[in-house]
Amino acid sequence: EAGVTQSPTHLIKTRGQQATLRCSPISGHTSVYWYQQALGLGLQFLLWYDEGEERNRGNFPPRFSGRQFPNYSSELNVNALELEDSALYLCASSFLGQGVTEAFFGQGTRLTVV
Amino acid sequence: GNSVTQMEGPVTLSEEAFLTINCTYTATGYPSLFWYVQYPGEGLQLLLKATKADDKGSNKGFEATYRKETTSFHLEKGSVQVSDSAVYFCALSDRGNTGKLIFGQGTTLQVKP
Repeated sequence: EAGVTQSPTHLIKTRGQQATLRCSPISGHTSVYWYQQALGLGLQFLLWYDEGEERNRGNFPPRFSGRQFPNYSSELNVNALELEDSALYLCASSFLGQGVTEAFFGQGTRLTVV
Repeated sequence: GNSVTQMEGPVTLSEEAFLTINCTYTATGYPSLFWYVQYPGEGLQLLLKATKADDKGSNKGFEATYRKETTSFHLEKGSVQVSDSAVYFCALSDRGNTGKLIFGQGTTLQVKP
């Protein structure tokens, strides 16, 4: 069974541009979680989507946004990129009602802003 | 707010040595506690968890006990292997379904043959 897949693996963008990161959850999982792993800041919760709706949001500015599609895959969009947005972005998925504590993580997208 | 503090790394050990990675937390209520492991080039994997005080989580030879009196959840292994080299994260989740895990900074473990 395929795990959580994220694309692209690496992404290089210029400051001010927009980045789009994608996540495909494990088959049957309806919840998707996004986390940022920035150097020196550790892992921080970004967003949680379930059944197409945003359920919770971490302490990030509005230029971090996303959506979940009918097939439960998800996109994370980061607008007006800043240098400090450079990080590993991890996606996780879980079954409906199980919560993030039962989630499986993908390998992440390494975003570099230059 | 809730937070998790881990011992700073890197931790370097010889194969078969005893491992302890300290983790303490600050939280309201009674959170669930977790250890995750991140092998080089891979995503996070849940290593073990404990959901209430005095619970002991265990997996692959690793253990951690939920100590409410000392607000700690230290990770231990009696005999480490080279394959245990990775980054270890302590985390907690709030009660209720918020989708949010609060992680410590991570501790890098390097095991030498």
